[in-house]
Amino acid sequence: DAEITQSPRHKITETGRQVTLACHQTWNHNNMFWYRQDLGHGLRLIHYSYGVQDTNKGEVSDGYSVSRSNTEDLPLTLESAASSQTSVYFCASSDSRGASETQYFGPGTRLLVL
Amino acid sequence: SQKIEQNSEALNIQEGKTATLTCNYTNYSPAYLQWYRQDPGRGPVFLLLIRENEKEKRKERLKVTFDTTLKQSLFHITASQPADSATYLCALVTGTASKLTFGTGTRLQVTL
Repeated sequence: DAEITQSPRHKITETGRQVTLACHQTWNHNNMFWYRQDLGHGLRLIHYSYGVQDTNKGEVSDGYSVSRSNTEDLPLTLESAASSQTSVYFCASSDSRGASETQYFGPGTRLLVL
Repeated sequence: SQKIEQNSEALNIQEGKTATLTCNYTNYSPAYLQWYRQDPGRGPVFLLLIRENEKEKRKERLKVTFDTTLKQSLFHITASQPADSATYLCALVTGTASKLTFGTGTRLQVTL
């Protein structure tokens, strides 16, 4: 069965360190997204990609970067982790060929920046 | 400014009753609206989509309405069960294709 996975599921890091969160999907979807979820803010879009070599900034992109070298993966990098980036991160994908734009979410990565 | 509002307070209802959750939005013109379910520690899961030219959509015990004049969507779960307890998120698709903007979600608790 097709799926979307994230790793690690939990991560503790220190302020200033570079961190990369992995996202891998086997749906063969063109569109991939990264969100963060915080109490009181809901899901906020960090970066998104409509295909290989395409990346776009979302609502809260400062301090984050992504790259898309193949269809299956969209890793999210925190260049220099800050305590404000402590959050739960979700990756999602959707099929650009469909009309519904339904997004399929991964299980999330809980990141703690000390 | 643009806002999507869902009741931040938890909704507690008794098993068998109908749960109604509200999603209000301002300064958006969504092409369509989606509802997702999120269980603790998990990612959201798609439930239903309704387009701007549709008034109502049903799927089993779920019903969604969409009033573009009132800028509101209502999400109903009939004959609710304890297994329906979760957080429910509404999301709008506006402007650029494929991007969703989410509300903060409403937690539903169904008790026996």
